Amino acid sequence: RKEVEQDPGPFNVPEGATVAFNCTYSNSASQSFFWYRQDCRKEPKLLMSVYSSGNEDGRFTAQLNRASQYISLLIRDSKLSDSATYLCVVKNRANTGFQKLVFGTGTRLLVSP
Amino acid sequence: EPEVTQTPSHQVTQMGQEVILRCVPISNHLYFYWYRQILGQKVEFLVSFYNNEISEKSEIFDDQFSVERPDGSNFTLKIRSTKLEDSAMYFCASSEAGGGAVVTEAFFGQGTRLTVV
Repeated sequence: RKEVEQDPGPFNVPEGATVAFNCTYSNSASQSFFWYRQDCRKEPKLLMSVYSSGNEDGRFTAQLNRASQYISLLIRDSKLSDSATYLCVVKNRANTGFQKLVFGTGTRLLVSP
Repeated sequence: EPEVTQTPSHQVTQMGQEVILRCVPISNHLYFYWYRQILGQKVEFLVSFYNNEISEKSEIFDDQFSVERPDGSNFTLKIRSTKLEDSAMYFCASSEAGGGAVVTEAFFGQGTRLTVV
């Protein structure tokens, strides 16, 4: 089983739509969770951290279900500028005690006029 | 806003040649990373570095790879004898913390696109 699994998409939605992405992770000891955004041929940039109680940042809502090892991202009122690849990222503890980020393959979102 | 900077933005090299990719992490960060992304594929962890030594490395990071922090600001990735399959985007990242339960984000540089011909 992949460490972090996402539907690669693409998700094609019209402007103003609500879209949800899901992600599952295999390591039950994973400690921190993030959604990063990556534009074509650019670096990943943090969109938001994901907290156990769920959290919201404007049009974006992230949820974590530790029991199911499942993370979600909801985008409301999609804008053209939301078109990008959304990376589910999990922070795992390595044998050294150090933590490393493990990336999913990303879900591509295309918002059309 | 502080940022991670990488040079060069694009490097073309012949197979078998050595390349050095350079990074300047954010100044107060203590944890440094290299990741790579082959075109169309996911971002893959290569190595993490703290306190002047490697903290963790992946299976990709074999003997052909090495990292160094030659001075107080630069963090380099060296590939000794490049192969065609090393062609990828290489991202450097840094973070304030890297262990414990502290939730800290990693900031990524804009990447170096390495093309091995």
